[in-house]
Amino acid sequence: KAGVTQTPRYLIKTRGQQVTLSCSPISGHRSVSWYQQTPGQGLQFLFEYFSETQRNKGNFPGRFSGRQFSNSRSEMNVSTLELGDSALYLCASSLAPPSPSTQYFGPGTRLLVL
Amino acid sequence: QQQVKQSPQSLIVQKGGISIINCAYENTAFDYFPWYQQFPGKGPALLIAIRPDVSEKKEGRFTISFNKSAKQFSLHIMDSQPGDSATYFCAASDSGYALNFGKGTSLLVTP
Repeated sequence: KAGVTQTPRYLIKTRGQQVTLSCSPISGHRSVSWYQQTPGQGLQFLFEYFSETQRNKGNFPGRFSGRQFSNSRSEMNVSTLELGDSALYLCASSLAPPSPSTQYFGPGTRLLVL
Repeated sequence: QQQVKQSPQSLIVQKGGISIINCAYENTAFDYFPWYQQFPGKGPALLIAIRPDVSEKKEGRFTISFNKSAKQFSLHIMDSQPGDSATYFCAASDSGYALNFGKGTSLLVTP
């Protein structure tokens, strides 16, 4: 079974621009979560989607948004980029709720904001 | 506010030794405690996970010890190998979603 795939793997943007990152979950997985990883803050939860609905949201500003499509693929968008948004953005997929199950992470998209 | 506190930040262990990483949490609603291993350039990969109804879980050389009353849990890596050199993250969640991660421990196993 193919793992979680994320595109693009690397991205360079300038301040003020916006960016869209894509995540394809493992086949059959219906829940997708997004995390931001930085050296200073570590891994922080952004949001989680199931059946095209955002079920949970972390403590990030409204510039960070996401969506999930009917095929469970997910995108996240960051508008008005700031230097501090430079990070590794990780997507994780898992089987359907309510039972908690393993979250499988993709390789991440490394975003550099100049 | 960091909901899961992890220590040490870095660890050096000789080959064959035991690596021990500790985590503590405050939220008593947490009911799922996974450990992840991350190599450079890769996403975190689940190593082992535990629920609060058991005090210990072992998978191969990896063991989680869980102390519900102290709100602490730890990862023991027995017979540590150079290939175990990676960053390890503990995490905790309420019902398995929205993982709250510790800050990570960088483990180096020397030959």
